[in-house]
Amino acid sequence: GAGVSQTPSNKVTEKGKYVELRCDPISGHTALYWYRQSLGQGPEFLIYFQGTGAADDSGLPNDRFFAVRPEGSVSTLKIQRTERGDSAVYLCASSLLSEEFFGPGTRLTVL
Amino acid sequence: EDQVTQSPEALRLQEGESSSLNCSYTVSGLRGLFWYRQDPGKGPEFLFTLYSAGEEKEKERLKATLTKKESFLHITAPKPEDSATYLCASGSNDYKLSFGAGTTVTVRA
Repeated sequence: GAGVSQTPSNKVTEKGKYVELRCDPISGHTALYWYRQSLGQGPEFLIYFQGTGAADDSGLPNDRFFAVRPEGSVSTLKIQRTERGDSAVYLCASSLLSEEFFGPGTRLTVL
Repeated sequence: EDQVTQSPEALRLQEGESSSLNCSYTVSGLRGLFWYRQDPGKGPEFLFTLYSAGEEKEKERLKATLTKKESFLHITAPKPEDSATYLCASGSNDYKLSFGAGTTVTVRA
């Protein structure tokens, strides 16, 4: 009875490095979302996939951020040339209808 | 642009002391108003979706209500295990959720 899983749970990297964050959605969920949550704030939308295609990437802050979902299931969020301001919890959610179900998040710390 | 504002930011309750959390929203084309619970270090846990003004939903000690501009989450006779951050989000026709900053509820035994 798997929910949404995300790996790694924690990632510490140095400024300028490249990172990949992985999301395994609930089986059968066609929609997948990435959000970013800073301390004391609600999640902020980044990108939405319907199947394999990015239906809405308007929340990606700049071109250092990119996400893929090549087979319509697992998704990877990729961040190039990380900056200290990228430090946050990155949340993934999936849905079949309207309700989105969230994973535990990946806490990214950029030193 | 969709906006969601939650109040108060923090709420400290004695066990059994009922209270309400407020969520004010402005959205073009409301698809649904969502409530989530978030425990420290965890992802948000889905609680309710409300679709139209006047709708109410209940789960254990929680009841959510919706008007055209606000939603309320009522906590009746809370227990310490109800301590968490409660997040409200508006869903518009573009499928994004716009979240408020949350209300952190602490229930003392």
